[in-house]
Amino acid sequence: DQQVKQNSPSLSVQEGRISILNCDYTNSMFDYFLWYKKYPAEGPTFLISISSIKDKNEDGRFTVFLNKSAKHLSLHIVPSQPGDSAVYFCAASNDYKLSFGAGTTVTVRA
Amino acid sequence: DAGVIQSPRHEVTEMGQEVTLRCKPISGHNSLFWYRQTMMRGLELLIYFNNNVPIDDSGMPEDRFSAKMPNASFSTLKIQPSEPRDSAVYFCASSFSGHSGNTIYFGEGSWLTVV
Repeated sequence: DQQVKQNSPSLSVQEGRISILNCDYTNSMFDYFLWYKKYPAEGPTFLISISSIKDKNEDGRFTVFLNKSAKHLSLHIVPSQPGDSAVYFCAASNDYKLSFGAGTTVTVRA
Repeated sequence: DAGVIQSPRHEVTEMGQEVTLRCKPISGHNSLFWYRQTMMRGLELLIYFNNNVPIDDSGMPEDRFSAKMPNASFSTLKIQPSEPRDSAVYFCASSFSGHSGNTIYFGEGSWLTVV
């Protein structure tokens, strides 16, 4: 039962442009949402999070938007840089449990 | 500061053998998680410890899997006997507390291949 879904397995974007990654969830009990970034042969690293009581959180080039009524969140990366090429996982938290999406592979083209 | 440390990074073993994966969480963290990543199921939680006590092991696939946390700085995940379908990347992760909003930090993973 996939409670967190990332429907786009891959995204290709030109350097300097905006990357938009999307995530949908089904469980209304989730109270925190997180994005993790993963390079090959490494563990996921925390990128940015948002509480369910907010609708936007910004950290440098990264902004996460939450639409609770639609059970949808998105990650915006602007401007995209070659070092942003990685797999991005959306995750949702209910107490201690993190449920992960399947990931979106982002490729930033020079 | 050292992150979550896992060993071995890579393990190739024959079916039927015992496999032990090790984890040292970040100092000061009291919550420890074991996750498994496979192509089919993505990242899934196997077991969660809080203050060295197993709180949720509902994700452990079957009795062949066991996990221990004898102290705050060490945990093991054991598979006995191992099977080819256990081949996956096993991640250990830790956080300051188990509650939502506390960032979970992952180790680099143990890549297990059972042949």
